[in-house]
Amino acid sequence: AQSVAQPEDQVNVAEGNPLTVKCTYSVSGNPYLFWYVQYPNRGLQFLLKYITGDNLVKGSYGFEAEFNKSQTSFHLKKPSALVSDSALYFCAVRDWSAGNMLTFGGGTRLMVKP
Amino acid sequence: KAGVTQTPRYLIKTRGQQVTLSCSPISGHRSVSWYQQTPGQGLQFLFEYFSETQRNKGNFPGRFSGRQFSNSRSEMNVSTLELGDSALYLCASSAGDPEYNEQFFGPGTRLTVL
Repeated sequence: AQSVAQPEDQVNVAEGNPLTVKCTYSVSGNPYLFWYVQYPNRGLQFLLKYITGDNLVKGSYGFEAEFNKSQTSFHLKKPSALVSDSALYFCAVRDWSAGNMLTFGGGTRLMVKP
Repeated sequence: KAGVTQTPRYLIKTRGQQVTLSCSPISGHRSVSWYQQTPGQGLQFLFEYFSETQRNKGNFPGRFSGRQFSNSRSEMNVSTLELGDSALYLCASSAGDPEYNEQFFGPGTRLTVL
């Protein structure tokens, strides 16, 4: 089974509306979870992480994510989307069963329309 | 602080050749990881180095190798290039233990194999 999954290839949202980019994980033990964003022709940029503590994690650029252990999810959210948020978003998890490597989801393209 | 730098940014090689890619991490960072990004396979983990020691290796053939120097700079080498090796190769560095610290990515080296 895939360690981390992003079920949506693309998410479309209107500017000013809330956005959610979904991520589910499947690793044993306590997961270390991360969100990264990639703008065109750029490397990835770190947004936020969950290691331990509060289930609601706040990150860069107004993004936040909620760790839900029972649903094995770590969805990325933002209350009000900006056109400049349009990019490729990656969820990642430390997979202890796979040699402790950082495994990325397939990515979700977020399109925010004015 | 300067970010992660990767050289060269673009590279064109032919099948059967070998290539060496270079990565200079952020000053003070001791961990360097390498990833391969392709449209079909997404982001796949190659190697992770910490203080010159390879801590993890992804599921890639032995043609892919890497090393880290005492100044934390890292190189990866691909021998006997195949068409399928065409990809964006991303390097990332992190301060401290990369298990739970965010990674800072370079812009990548785009390798085209003809």
